[in-house]
Amino acid sequence: DIQMTQSPSSLSASVGDRVTITCRASQSISSYLNWYQQKPGKAPKLLIYAASSLQSGVPSRFSGSGSGTDFTLTITSLQPEDFATYYCQQSYSIPRTFGQGTKVEIK
Amino acid sequence: EVQLVQSGAEVKKPGESLKISCKGSGYSFTSYWIGWVRQMPGKGLEWMGIIYPDDSDTRYSPSFQGQVTISADKSISTAYLQWSSLKASDTAMYYCVRQDSGWLPFDYWGQGTLVTVSS
Repeated sequence: DIQMTQSPSSLSASVGDRVTITCRASQSISSYLNWYQQKPGKAPKLLIYAASSLQSGVPSRFSGSGSGTDFTLTITSLQPEDFATYYCQQSYSIPRTFGQGTKVEIK
Repeated sequence: EVQLVQSGAEVKKPGESLKISCKGSGYSFTSYWIGWVRQMPGKGLEWMGIIYPDDSDTRYSPSFQGQVTISADKSISTAYLQWSSLKASDTAMYYCVRQDSGWLPFDYWGQGTLVTVSS
């Protein structure tokens, strides 16, 4: 199985801050990397697919980059509704695997 | 509008069987994979397996192979996740997800079904 490791596990940030979350795969996954946002008590929501493609309806302050084994999710100008947990997930091979999550909290 | 609507919360005893469902609407049910994702209390997301309803081609995560059964009834656009003998460790939220072919992501998620297993 491909292991996905996110860092940090949690972070505190203020509204307006720029936030960066990283995800590392245990082997090359090309650009087959997706990012999801989960708010408490809700189902996850797709934000970014294929490493850098923004899902329809997702604000442009979210962006993704990377290929191979190292990937980044960036939120420019953090908004109150962005406080949530973020997961990366590889779609290169089965079983699909997720990172352990990064919780973004209010500072 | 694409929707995945899951069956309601369940409370079961260890050793009991259970089948939960996920009904797709607003799209061609047989043209997309349906997967299942587990989230244990306070924990992260775990991919369990996936089924292609048109021909019932099914793939499982090694972690869940033999522990659960994924099936689908394309005539009623519904996928299922079932257990023959529940354990307390099966207590979790279970989400169904839609996936287009190949490497594409999970673009739609069900609302989740909470399964509680307790004596």
